[in-house]
Amino acid sequence: EPEVTQTPSHQVTQMGQEVILRCVPISNHLYFYWYRQILGQKVEFLVSFYNNEISEKSEIFDDQFSVERPDGSNFTLKIRSTKLEDSAMYFCASTLSTGELFFGEGSRLTVL
Amino acid sequence: LAKTTQPISMDSYEGQEVNITCSHNNIATNDYITWYQQFPSQGPRFIIQGYKTKVTNEVASLFIPADRKSSTLSLPRVSLSDTAVYYCLVESPSGNTPLVFGKGTRLSVIA
Repeated sequence: EPEVTQTPSHQVTQMGQEVILRCVPISNHLYFYWYRQILGQKVEFLVSFYNNEISEKSEIFDDQFSVERPDGSNFTLKIRSTKLEDSAMYFCASTLSTGELFFGEGSRLTVL
Repeated sequence: LAKTTQPISMDSYEGQEVNITCSHNNIATNDYITWYQQFPSQGPRFIIQGYKTKVTNEVASLFIPADRKSSTLSLPRVSLSDTAVYYCLVESPSGNTPLVFGKGTRLSVIA
């Protein structure tokens, strides 16, 4: 069964450092998303991406965040200068159109 | 999108049927009702989606009354591995509209 894959599974970084989280969505999917989940809290929408551009973003997705689909397969989330409060699980998701959203296993980011 | 309300937590013994009800009073005419399951340290996983009446798959059943202001996810004969958080979401038919997760219902299955 096709799946969304994310790397790294866990990253530890120092405050102020740049972090890139990588995702390989399911190959024929058209819509891509990043969500995050702070420990013990709900899953929060960050950004959606379609047709090589951001289609929607939340207030969490400020200037420190950016997304890219550089080569038609990878979908990356970059955090330019990490803060302590960026520590969370980051989930990538993709879908063909409507219906089932496929999530990856997540990347745990720990900012020290 | 319509706000959803569901119980914060539920407990059940193994082998029992579990029904989790969600209210979505302001659901729009074209919206679907979708349920996701999330195990600890994993991404949410789609369980079932419906528009009205009853939908059944190999995992669960979804009951939606005629007014569509609520829905009930039914898990038959739960096992310990069904312990998870279950999210009820109202979803627009547009593929572009992101899913908005609430706090979900934490189901604990006890032996």
